[in-house]
Amino acid sequence: DTGVSQNPRHKITKRGQNVTFRCDPISEHNRLYWYRQTLGQGPEFLTYFQNEAQLEKSRLLSDRFSAERPKGSFSTLEIQRTEQGDSAMYLCASRSRVGDTEAFFGQGTRLTVV
Amino acid sequence: SQQGEEDPQALSIQEGENATMNCSYKTSINNLQWYRQNSGRGLVHLILIRSNEREKHSGRLRVTLDTSKKSSSLLITASRAADTASYFCATPRSGGSYIPTFGRGTSLIVHP
Repeated sequence: DTGVSQNPRHKITKRGQNVTFRCDPISEHNRLYWYRQTLGQGPEFLTYFQNEAQLEKSRLLSDRFSAERPKGSFSTLEIQRTEQGDSAMYLCASRSRVGDTEAFFGQGTRLTVV
Repeated sequence: SQQGEEDPQALSIQEGENATMNCSYKTSINNLQWYRQNSGRGLVHLILIRSNEREKHSGRLRVTLDTSKKSSSLLITASRAADTASYFCATPRSGGSYIPTFGRGTSLIVHP
């Protein structure tokens, strides 16, 4: 499968615990995005990487959220001290380094905080 | 802030009918993308249309773009039950890096 891969697909955690999600973009895509989506809403932008550099962060990305892309390939999104309001689908997307192109999304990680 | 908004929010049709969804946006764009999302799944890219294009086709899909009205439409012809999904348009956020931004989408139900 050469698409965007996200792991895990589902995560249930207790409030206050830390969670980490992983995204493997399409090979050679240097641009990577994280989004959050709640029920009935469209995806909301969280953060953007070009290669290993984190170039944009939304104000939605509170201090409890951190994202990395250490080698410019896969990326991780960590949420510390989870709250019930963090329950959502977390989506990753990647885009080619060349030109004006579409973003391809992974299947997402569904987080439930209990 | 949201750049694009889809209309209607919900659409219910019979199999075989055509479905039309619209997207309006606020600022000038280089391109616009349409995506489909089945319940609980990721987004599937359908079509990208550039600002110098007025119409684009892909199978049963037809996308139009009117930059003067800052609007786009997605037409699904001869709909099937499998087309039941949410449909989103994505437009670049104004300023800064290229960040696709989404509206709330149109929820399409196609009855067999």
